Amino acid sequence: ETVMTQSPATLSVSPGERATLSCRASQNVSDYLNWYQQKPGRAPRLLIRGASIRATGIPVRFSGSGSGTEFTLTISSLQSEDFALYYCLQHIHWPWTFGQGTKVEIK
Amino acid sequence: EVQLVESGGGLVEPGGSLRLSCAASGFSFGNSDMSWVRQTPGKGLEWISYTYGTGGTIYYADSVKGRFTISTDNADRSLSLQMTSLRAEDTAIYYCRSWTSQVDVWGQGTTVTVSS
Repeated sequence: ETVMTQSPATLSVSPGERATLSCRASQNVSDYLNWYQQKPGRAPRLLIRGASIRATGIPVRFSGSGSGTEFTLTISSLQSEDFALYYCLQHIHWPWTFGQGTKVEIK
Repeated sequence: EVQLVESGGGLVEPGGSLRLSCAASGFSFGNSDMSWVRQTPGKGLEWISYTYGTGGTIYYADSVKGRFTISTDNADRSLSLQMTSLRAEDTAIYYCRSWTSQVDVWGQGTTVTVSS
């Protein structure tokens, strides 16, 4: 099974600041990497697909980069609605696997 | 509007069975890949089953293989998950998910609790 490791577990950021979230795969997943945002009581919401392609309707402050085993999600200027849980997902090796999540909280 | 609505969750005793359903609307169901994903506080998000092409391609996670069965009904535009031999560790929120025309759609989730 491909293990996805996210860091940090919690990121404390002030509104307006940049947030950088990391995700590492235990084997090469090429660019089959998605980023999701989840808020309490809600289903995950796709932010980034193919490692760097913003999903429909996602603001430009969200960007993804990386390939192979190292990936980054950057939120350029945090807004109040961005404080949430973020997960990476690899979908090339079955079973598809999520990271354990990064909580972005208000500093 | 593209939408998925799950139903069928509830409380069941260990060893029991339950059938989850997911009603799809607003997109071409027959051309979509469909999945079930579950979430627990302890294990996080787990992709447990996938199907594409009216059952032509089906995958299961090892944790549910041999106990859960995924199926689609194109006429009814629905996805199902038949769950048998349920265990306490199957307690979770179960989400239906589709990928169609580069749009990622999730249902609101249905809660399954396995307890005596």
